[in-house]
Amino acid sequence: EAQVTQNPRYLITVTGKKLTVTCSQNMNHEYMSWYRQDPGLGLRQIYYSMNVEVTDKGDVPEGYKVSRKEKRNFPLILESPSPNQTSLYFCASSKSTGTNSNQPQHFGDGTRLSIL
Amino acid sequence: AQSVTQPDIHITVSEGASLELRCNYSYGATPYLFWYVQSPGQGLQLLLKYFSGDTLVQGIKGFEAEFKRSQSSFNLRKPSVHWSDAAEYFCAVGINYGQNFVFGPGTRLSVLP
Repeated sequence: EAQVTQNPRYLITVTGKKLTVTCSQNMNHEYMSWYRQDPGLGLRQIYYSMNVEVTDKGDVPEGYKVSRKEKRNFPLILESPSPNQTSLYFCASSKSTGTNSNQPQHFGDGTRLSIL
Repeated sequence: AQSVTQPDIHITVSEGASLELRCNYSYGATPYLFWYVQSPGQGLQLLLKYFSGDTLVQGIKGFEAEFKRSQSSFNLRKPSVHWSDAAEYFCAVGINYGQNFVFGPGTRLSVLP
């Protein structure tokens, strides 16, 4: 089954304690992206990756890091989480971009982070 | 700057009634347009998309949307709403050849029995 898998689904942690949210897709997609969803703001793009070892900032990258060492994985890293990063996070992937950029994204089920 | 607006935060309709959810975008070139639906506790599911060609596009679950370039709009419609359509709906724009996606704030749909 084609899917985007995020782990953990829920996490409560404290300010300053490094955490990683994993994202894995089994569709051999080149493009992957991270979003945060906050009430009244919709989804805002944090980082995206066009392919292995190619990442770039989205609209709200501050306080986050990503890496893309393998095509299937795109972890989101919070080096020193703060309460304003409490949010619902979604990972997404799509087949390709550029000249074939008309591809919809497939979303994971979300990770709810609470930073105390 | 690119933006997507969904003027209605919350809409309530009766089951069987027609539905229209509004979406307006601001983008200098022709965008790629998407509608997604999110049920509680779930990720986003694609309803339909527009890239080019026929401006009236059909999607899953009986939804359709019409792209109107002159109005920078991409409104979502359904002729008869079912109780299972209650969810949050997001309009999104793909820009920069699909490198970036901008989402609207969402419209929450409630359906009365």
